[in-house]
Amino acid sequence: EVQLVESGGGLIQPGGSLRLSCAASGLTVSSNYMSWVRQAPGKGLEWVSAVHSGGSTYYADSVKGRFTISGDNSKNTLFLQMDSLRAEDTAVYYCARDFPYYSDSSGRPPLLRTDYWGQGTLVTVSS
Amino acid sequence: DIVLTQSPATLSLSPGERATLSCRASQSISSYLAWYQQKPGQAPRLLIYGASNRATGIPARFSGSGSGTDFTLTISSLEPEDFAVYYCQQRSHWPPWTFGQGTKVEI
Repeated sequence: EVQLVESGGGLIQPGGSLRLSCAASGLTVSSNYMSWVRQAPGKGLEWVSAVHSGGSTYYADSVKGRFTISGDNSKNTLFLQMDSLRAEDTAVYYCARDFPYYSDSSGRPPLLRTDYWGQGTLVTVSS
Repeated sequence: DIVLTQSPATLSLSPGERATLSCRASQSISSYLAWYQQKPGQAPRLLIYGASNRATGIPARFSGSGSGTDFTLTISSLEPEDFAVYYCQQRSHWPPWTFGQGTKVEI
């Protein structure tokens, strides 16, 4: 059974840094496509970042240059390093597994579906 | 970036009724669309991917259709557990993979 468990959230002042962790069981983080998605209180979902099994990383414009996605093979854990935090980064952060359900020989990345989600960790940026 | 617009914002229905949710993309996304269900305090749950493919374990009353810019999620006969918020997400080959703003299905 696949389980994703996030941790590391909390209250942080604007301009501060926080590192979120997503401990995985039932799958190997380094050989999967993984994402972070966030949800501000009472708002909708926002895709934040992704890492592909080949190592390519992607970021939403709203976090580019401030957030870094990475993985630790030995701990089978996905991370999201968040620097220069702003009030608008306040949200529940979910990690998720993206499963490639279609690929072809075009060289384009495969099509993905997000089939497993963690329970989320709340990040509050406030003074 | 591709913008997804969901309508209506809220759908008020009774158990047993049919629900039809719409998602419109700002440009063609072929069939690269997913639908999720989210209940309060829970993570989203994948319902549909590739516009019309049901995810594992999803009941047959959920169906997705559409291609290009116009997509529909249909719940043929609402069960009490189906009252929730539904999001569409475009899943083209490259990110950013934007979400719609959500449709709340309420009793």
